[in-house]
Amino acid sequence: EVQLVESGGALVQPGGSLRLSCAASGFTFSSYWMTWVRQAPGKGLEWVANIKEDGSESFYVDSVKGRLTIVRDNGENSLYLQMNSLRVEDTAVYYCARDPGAGNWGAFDIWGQGTMVTVSS
Amino acid sequence: DVVMTQSPLSLPVTLGQPASISCRSTQSLVYSDGNTYLNWFHQRPGQSPRRLIYKVSHRDSGVPDRFSGSGSDTDFTLKISRVEAEDVGVYYCMQGRHWPYTFGQGTKLEIK
Repeated sequence: EVQLVESGGALVQPGGSLRLSCAASGFTFSSYWMTWVRQAPGKGLEWVANIKEDGSESFYVDSVKGRLTIVRDNGENSLYLQMNSLRVEDTAVYYCARDPGAGNWGAFDIWGQGTMVTVSS
Repeated sequence: DVVMTQSPLSLPVTLGQPASISCRSTQSLVYSDGNTYLNWFHQRPGQSPRRLIYKVSHRDSGVPDRFSGSGSDTDFTLKISRVEAEDVGVYYCMQGRHWPYTFGQGTKLEIK
């Protein structure tokens, strides 16, 4: 079964750090771009970051540049989001998703169940 | 950044009636490869989003044929020919043509 399972969400203080994980199974992980999308409580979806199949390229929404870093380990079939200097406005459910990439950009076809990050003092 | 504007934001519909959601972008979503990278997602309450339609009009397997996508360049539409109870939730358009990817605000469909 094709599946993405996120973990690592927690309550953290402003300025703190957290690392989210996303375990992939059922497909050739190293053949796909991967993405993180977040959803603040009661709000819409916001794309956060993408990473190329081999990890050599990544893109971010401006509001997280320099603070959040998307990383992947193809040997472990895992995607990560390293979150530093967290702000209250980073509070959200974070979803990992598969991006088919070239020829079908942004057509996220597989989504995880999400993991909740709460930034609060 | 490309701004995606959906309308309406709230859509009360009677069961069995049609529904339509508009999505407009501030820049063309046509890429040099000839594809138009406009996608539609559906999120039911308490669930993860699910892709419905990709590249404007390509319906995902398992998506009922009462759903259809159309449009071009900067102007797109998602139509449901006859709304069923399972169609409730929020619908999002999203562009994959330009970085950063951007979503519309979402349209909440409810049954009258």
